[in-house]
Amino acid sequence: SAVISQKPSRDICQRGTSLTIQCQVDSQVTMMFWYRQQPGQSLTLIATANQGSEATYESGFVIDKFPISRPNLTFSTLTVSNMSPEDSSIYLCSVLGASEAFFGQGTRLTVV
Amino acid sequence: AQRVTQPEKLLSVFKGAPVELKCNYSYSGSPELFWYVQYSRQRLQLLLRHISRESIKGFTADLNKGETSFHLKKPFAQEEDSAMYYCALLRGGYQKVTFGTGTKLQVIP
Repeated sequence: SAVISQKPSRDICQRGTSLTIQCQVDSQVTMMFWYRQQPGQSLTLIATANQGSEATYESGFVIDKFPISRPNLTFSTLTVSNMSPEDSSIYLCSVLGASEAFFGQGTRLTVV
Repeated sequence: AQRVTQPEKLLSVFKGAPVELKCNYSYSGSPELFWYVQYSRQRLQLLLRHISRESIKGFTADLNKGETSFHLKKPFAQEEDSAMYYCALLRGGYQKVTFGTGTKLQVIP
């Protein structure tokens, strides 16, 4: 199993600013995943963070808006840049174990 | 393209009644399917996976490849079953998970 710590757990931010979300895993993993869960909707994969290479972004998400760092095998950050109210959402970090996915507790972001 | 469909946003049942949460998928390969649950104020966690063919908290789910379904069932609902349930598909090789839109189960006392 994997234990994932994510912070901050929530934040209220002004539009136009940026927020960096941190994700720490208690074991070394090759890939870490960042999801967004908008109100009333399902989880949408933003990108896959690979250690030692550029993150792989899903359709509709770009690096300029969601830059990701992956400095080592246990840590990753996701930045939400130049925020607008449409970015208000829950952001989740996840890793895949041998047979299941593990999730952080999420970061609830409100942009005002 | 892979897709997971959960047709019901909300399912309300009385305590003791049977529960069935529907999930259909489309995927060209061999799917690995899961049910995840999120209780109030808790993180998303695995409930069960089709490979293990297990029963967790009284819930079971059978993969029906002919109908491309993976419905979650429980014969007698309990109040503590109230939660959001997500059906998910693991895309082998790409190691990515696709989630359904989720069904909120509400068990009425």
